[in-house]
Amino acid sequence: DAGVIQSPRHEVTEMGQEVTLRCKPISGHDYLFWYRQTMMRGLELLIYFNNNVPIDDSGMPEDRFSAKMPNASFSTLKIQPSEPRDSAVYFCASSSAFNIQYFGAGTRLSVL
Amino acid sequence: GQQLNQSPQSMFIQEGEDVSMNCTSSSIFNTWLWYKQDPGEGPVLLIALYKAGELTSNGRLTAQFGITRKDSFLNISASIPSDVGIYFCAGQKGNDMRFGAGTRLTVKP
Repeated sequence: DAGVIQSPRHEVTEMGQEVTLRCKPISGHDYLFWYRQTMMRGLELLIYFNNNVPIDDSGMPEDRFSAKMPNASFSTLKIQPSEPRDSAVYFCASSSAFNIQYFGAGTRLSVL
Repeated sequence: GQQLNQSPQSMFIQEGEDVSMNCTSSSIFNTWLWYKQDPGEGPVLLIALYKAGELTSNGRLTAQFGITRKDSFLNISASIPSDVGIYFCAGQKGNDMRFGAGTRLTVKP
């Protein structure tokens, strides 16, 4: 199994630009999670899906962030417009049981 | 959500030494998990604990689910250089999952 696949691994963009992060979960997993990791705040859950349906988006910082899961094998996290304070590592994770989550390698986002 | 209280924040040890770290919370959890994160990678699950008082081992790693359900401990015996990384605890109850801030482990050869 290839594990959770995230792309791109690194993204550098300028303030105001739209950023789209992508995730392919492990086949057969019903849950998909998006996390943000920073030195100051650690690992934060942004949103999670169950069977492609968003269940809890209370961790999404603000309306500039949106996430979609059009099918069981693909999800996106979009930031529009991006700001320097969005710079962080964004992780996608998937699981068949809510608590046993498998993480991707992450996307390191730098907003200049 | 509120982070768990994980300590110590960092540890510098000699190869061969044993390591202990812990995680506490004001809330009760049904599952405690321990992850390790290598530089430039995502967290990898090491051990999952499902029952208060449970003691589980994975090689040189041993973790315990506290009796009060509000804490957990991870021990690493006879550390080796590849143990270097950041160790995270996580507590889960229902659809609530929270992570500790991590313990950064450095092992000197």
